[in-house]
Amino acid sequence: DAMVIQNPRYQVTQFGKPVTLSCSQTLNHNVMYWYQQKSSQAPKLLFHYYDKDFNNEADTPDNFQSRRPNTSFCFLDIRSPGLGDAAMYLCATSRETRMETQYFGPGTRLLVL
Amino acid sequence: GQQLNQSPQSMFIQEGEDVSMNCTSSSIFNTWLWYKQEPGEGPVLLIALYKAGELTSNGRLTAQFGITRKDSFLNISASIPSDVGIYFCAGFNAGNNRKLIWGLGTSLAVNP
Repeated sequence: DAMVIQNPRYQVTQFGKPVTLSCSQTLNHNVMYWYQQKSSQAPKLLFHYYDKDFNNEADTPDNFQSRRPNTSFCFLDIRSPGLGDAAMYLCATSRETRMETQYFGPGTRLLVL
Repeated sequence: GQQLNQSPQSMFIQEGEDVSMNCTSSSIFNTWLWYKQEPGEGPVLLIALYKAGELTSNGRLTAQFGITRKDSFLNISASIPSDVGIYFCAGFNAGNNRKLIWGLGTSLAVNP
């Protein structure tokens, strides 16, 4: 089945220690998104790639970076995680002609100690 | 940032009951979507609505795109225990930096 895959599902890191979360997709969608979701809140868009074109949200901290080496893979790098960065990180994809219809992966739960 | 008004915030119902939830906005949207999220998982797309007035069903779920383009509702008929989760509405307007605007979610609990 075509899908969005996120690894790992759970990630524990130390305060200030860089961490990378990964996402892959078999849907062959051109657009990939990273969201942050905290408890009892809606997902919050961090940035998205329209093919290779990177689009950062204005309120996304510089601490968050992303890489998309090819169509199938996208990475979220958190350079110096703080306690406030503990959250669920969701990857999503869409077609460029249907950006409103987004398909989500299962998420990575990040814990910062 | 902008958010949609989603209600109710939570519901606790008996198995077999019908459920209704809605979202309203002060802005017009071109698309309304309904997602379900279970604990520890990502949101799963339930229904996408692309046209004002559109009424779409997916099994026991029915959703409508309001004629004013500022609201949408989701109905679940004959609820079952696996309907438990948080239901999110989201709106999309191509002019809104091409991103989804989310409701705060409706938490549904079903008593078997």
